[in-house]
Amino acid sequence: ETGVTQSPTHLIKTRGQQVTLRCSSQSGHNTVSWYQQALGQGPQFIFQYYREEENGRGNFPPRFSGLQFPNYSSELNVNALELDDSALYLCASSLVQGSYEQYFGPGTRLTVT
Amino acid sequence: GDSVTQMEGPVTLSEEAFLTINCTYTATGYPSLFWYVQYPGEGLQLLLKATKADDKGSNKGFEATYRKETTSFHLEKGSVQVSDSAVYFCALGPAGGYQKVTFGTGTKLQVIP
Repeated sequence: ETGVTQSPTHLIKTRGQQVTLRCSSQSGHNTVSWYQQALGQGPQFIFQYYREEENGRGNFPPRFSGLQFPNYSSELNVNALELDDSALYLCASSLVQGSYEQYFGPGTRLTVT
Repeated sequence: GDSVTQMEGPVTLSEEAFLTINCTYTATGYPSLFWYVQYPGEGLQLLLKATKADDKGSNKGFEATYRKETTSFHLEKGSVQVSDSAVYFCALGPAGGYQKVTFGTGTKLQVIP
């Protein structure tokens, strides 16, 4: 069974640029959620995708957007990067039914300078 | 809205000491409760979970009991090891709707030999 994978591992961008982060779900999982974890904080929910549609969103501006593909992999796009976007971005996959058990990837560390 | 409050760290213990990390929550309905662990440089791993009142989750010597009357889900371990050094996150998943998981801010545990 393949776990959740994310790419790239680390990324450095300049303020105002755009970034795309990628996630491959655990085998058999059809739901993907994205979280932002600032240094020393708990993860904050960005949004969730199920069957290629966004079905839940946290308190993040529209410049945070995403996609889910037919194979359930996903992308997180962030436009007009700000310094405060520097964080660890975590992807989690799960089955839509069940006890909300989510399996997390190792994360992408984004630094905005 | 839903929220999780956990004790601030860092918590420093000697090997074989007893561990308690307090966690309380605010939520509507009957959420599922989780403890996640994050080792240095890694993503989150599900440690244990409980899906209804009075359930006890357990894994790797860690235990937590879902107490609805006190809205608590305290993490305990009878004898910690150096390898338990990590950041521990208490979290909840809502009773309905999409699978947003709400995390606490995390408690760093350091176990010294």
